[in-house]
Amino acid sequence: GENVEQHPSTLSVQEGDSAVIKCTYSDSASNYFPWYKQELGKRPQLIIDIRSNVGEKKDQRIAVTLNKTAKHFSLHITETQPEDSAVYFCAARGNTGNQFYFGTGTSLTVIP
Amino acid sequence: GAGVSQSPSNKVTEKGKDVELRCDPISGHTALYWYRQRLGQGLEFLIYFQGNSAPDKSGLPSDRFSAERTGESVSTLTIQRTQQEDSAVYLCASSARGGSIYEQYFGPGTRLTVT
Repeated sequence: GENVEQHPSTLSVQEGDSAVIKCTYSDSASNYFPWYKQELGKRPQLIIDIRSNVGEKKDQRIAVTLNKTAKHFSLHITETQPEDSAVYFCAARGNTGNQFYFGTGTSLTVIP
Repeated sequence: GAGVSQSPSNKVTEKGKDVELRCDPISGHTALYWYRQRLGQGLEFLIYFQGNSAPDKSGLPSDRFSAERTGESVSTLTIQRTQQEDSAVYLCASSARGGSIYEQYFGPGTRLTVT
C-alpha cells in the first residue's frame, strides 16, 4: 500500500516568515493530495488540495507544489500569522480510490 | 447547515468491554469514512462506505472492529473486547461522493480511553 512520510514533525517560525512542510509518497498511482489543518482539540479541516495533473496550486497565502517524478509534495505558507499555529497533515489517495493515507503531522508554531 | 456529528465525545471503558461509536454524516453525503488517530500520530484509515455498495473494510486492524451503516445515514463503529492499544480518537468523515474531487468533512471525534 501507500506510505506517506512528512517532515518536519515540528516547526517554529517568526510571524511574517514562511513555513514549508514536505511530504513524500511511495505509490506512483496516487493521484490526489489534500492538506488538512487541525487546531488543538478540533477536527481536521481541508485547507488546500492538488491533483496529479497539476504541478502547483495557490490560495492566498497557501500554496502546494507537486513533483510526480520525485513523488513528493509540499505545503508553503507565506506571511505566517499566529492563527496559522496548528498541526498540519498531508495525505495521498491510494490507487483503490477509497483509502486516504495520512502523514504523521507537523506541529507549526508561529511566534508573534 | 449541520456538520458531521459524533457521539459520545468521550468514552472511558474497561479492558475487555465492547464499545459502540456513532457518526451522523452531513445529510445527502453518500460517502463515509472512519479513521483512528492515536496521540501525536496521523489519521489511520479504517473503513469506507459509499452508498449501497459493499464497504471497503481493508483498514480494520482486527476482527474485533466492525462497522455498519444504514443506507446513507448514521454509521456505528463497534470495538469488541477492547484493548489498551485501542485508546485513540476515532474520527468520522463524510463527503458528497467518494473519490478525490469531493472534500471530506470531519466530525469532532470520539476520544476512547481503555483502562
